[in-house]
Amino acid sequence: GAVVSQHPSWVICKSGTSVKIECRSLDFQATTMFWYRQFPKQSLMLMATSNEGSKATYEQGVEKDKFLINHASLTLSTLTVTSAHPEDSSFYICSAWESGANVLTFGAGSRLTVL
Amino acid sequence: QKEVEQDPGPLSVPEGAIVSLNCTYSNSAFQYFMWYRQYSRKGPELLMYTYSSGNKEDGRFTAQVDKSSKYISLFIRDSQPSDSATYLCAMSAVGNTPLVFGKGTRLSVIA
Repeated sequence: GAVVSQHPSWVICKSGTSVKIECRSLDFQATTMFWYRQFPKQSLMLMATSNEGSKATYEQGVEKDKFLINHASLTLSTLTVTSAHPEDSSFYICSAWESGANVLTFGAGSRLTVL
Repeated sequence: QKEVEQDPGPLSVPEGAIVSLNCTYSNSAFQYFMWYRQYSRKGPELLMYTYSSGNKEDGRFTAQVDKSSKYISLFIRDSQPSDSATYLCAMSAVGNTPLVFGKGTRLSVIA
């Protein structure tokens, strides 16, 4: 089946620094990837839709200048949390549709802790 | 009314019980229905996928979709402690678009 790899799985950073999270589709091409955020005991909240070769589409309330998304190839999307603050601490999860299978596969998630 | 409603639980059952998890939705355009299992501190893992109405069975898991009632279900037979997790329903109208998720139901299977 389709595999989505996400890295790093856990990151701790100081307030004010930037953190990059990578999302790769390992055995399929993904023209579209999605980034979600999940706070403890809550469901997944869609942050943005990442489109290969074009700008990401952000959900209402998500700061595009703070959460930079780059989808430079058909197998890689990155999320950069700029000038991170403690309130950005969360579980970030990417996903990608496997074309033809119509199945959305998730990465294992990246837990960000901002001190 | 939210697009997708799911009882967050928690739901606690003895080992071997049949578990029934449900979601209701309001958007009649939804055609793709999925159930994900999420263990603590892990990403969601696809369990079942159904297109349009009907039933689908995979081992101990059965997914049902009733589009006329806008109601989907996931049944787990012979539940095991390893089934203890949060179960999320998700759906979309068109492929390659973001899924709309339920809040998830926390399930505990007690040995």
